[in-house]
Amino acid sequence: DGGITQSPKYLFRKEGQNVTLSCEQNLNHDAMYWYRQDPGQGLRLIYYSQIVNDFQKGDIAEGYSVSREKKESFPLTVTSAQKNPTAFYLCASSTEGHIIYEQFFGPGTRLTVL
Amino acid sequence: AQSVTQLDSHVSVSEGTPVLLRCNYSSSYSPSLFWYVQHPNKGLQLLLKYTSAATLVKGINGFEAEFKKSETSFHLTKPSAHMSDAAEYFCVVSDQDDYKLSFGAGTTVTVRA
Repeated sequence: DGGITQSPKYLFRKEGQNVTLSCEQNLNHDAMYWYRQDPGQGLRLIYYSQIVNDFQKGDIAEGYSVSREKKESFPLTVTSAQKNPTAFYLCASSTEGHIIYEQFFGPGTRLTVL
Repeated sequence: AQSVTQLDSHVSVSEGTPVLLRCNYSSSYSPSLFWYVQHPNKGLQLLLKYTSAATLVKGINGFEAEFKKSETSFHLTKPSAHMSDAAEYFCVVSDQDDYKLSFGAGTTVTVRA
């Protein structure tokens, strides 16, 4: 069954801690994306990667970091520098990094800072 | 730069009645437009997309949308709402030479029995 998995589904973090959100896809997609969703707002792009070992900042990259060492994996680290990290995080992938290719979304991770 | 305005933050309909979700966009170039649906605590699913082919686009689950360039609109409709249509809907725009999607704030649909 092809798709995107994100783990964990719920994550709690104390202030000052770094946490890493997992995103794995078995769709053989080249491009992967991380979005942040806040209540009453649309999704905002954090980082994206069009190919292994390469990634670019999106609109709200400050306080986040990513890596893309394998085609199927694109983990997101929320660092202590992110001032308001409580949000719903969505990972997506597409065949290539162009909008004509549909983005497929994972089920999301809800991060809460205590 | 592109942007999207979803004109209603919340729409409530009775089961079996039509649904209309309104979306206006701003784009410098020829846009691509999408509607996505999100059920509670889930990821997003593509309903339909417009990429400069037919202006009336049919999607999944009986939804369709019409691209009107003169009105810069891309409204989503369904003739008869079902309880399973209760969800949040996002209108999304992108310039065709770009990777980047711009999302509207979303419209929450409630379906009354």
